[in-house]
Amino acid sequence: NAGVTQTPKFRVLKTGQSMTLLCAQDMNHEYMYWYRQDPGMGLRLIHYSVGEGTTAKGEVPDGYNVSRLKKQNFLLGLESAAPSQTSVYFCASTQREDGSDEQYFGPGTRLTVT
Amino acid sequence: GQNIDQPTEMTATEGAIVQINCTYQTSGFNGLFWYQQHAGEAPTFLSYNVLDGLEEKGRFSSFLSRSKGYSYLLLKELQMKDSASYLCAVRDSNYQLIWGAGTKLIIKP
Repeated sequence: NAGVTQTPKFRVLKTGQSMTLLCAQDMNHEYMYWYRQDPGMGLRLIHYSVGEGTTAKGEVPDGYNVSRLKKQNFLLGLESAAPSQTSVYFCASTQREDGSDEQYFGPGTRLTVT
Repeated sequence: GQNIDQPTEMTATEGAIVQINCTYQTSGFNGLFWYQQHAGEAPTFLSYNVLDGLEEKGRFSSFLSRSKGYSYLLLKELQMKDSASYLCAVRDSNYQLIWGAGTKLIIKP
């Protein structure tokens, strides 16, 4: 089992460019999440999905879009990158939102927008 | 608003015991998690508390008091590999995790 994988691991974008981050999980989890992590701040939820074909906004959704066409994949898109989107992006998945099921995290994507 | 407070940084000695505190104010409570995150890596799960009291798992224990909005993570017999950030997260009434900024633990020989 690979668990949760993310592509790419590193990326440098110029302001205004677009890109898509790919997250894949092989644990058949229903719930998937995209977070960003910035120095001195906790993980902040961007968007999440409670199942194939569904998505919802989290705490900081502006400037991002997501899609979950297949259960195992969750894509995060930046249509027009801004320097404020420089961050480390983590994808996570879990089978249940209640109980003791923890979220499993991917290795992260380090994005720099110049 | 929702808020999770943890100390920014702590230092401890190899072989000693350290307690990392977490206080929270959230809209609802459906459990509290502790994660470990080594520099440049992803967070990994350590413990879960939903009822008051102590949960022990090897060298690590986690305590919860819901009435006080308080938790702590206790690490015993510290090893150099325990140098990492420790993240406290509370599941709120919408079943979303609210994360603290993390406590960077530095272990000295």
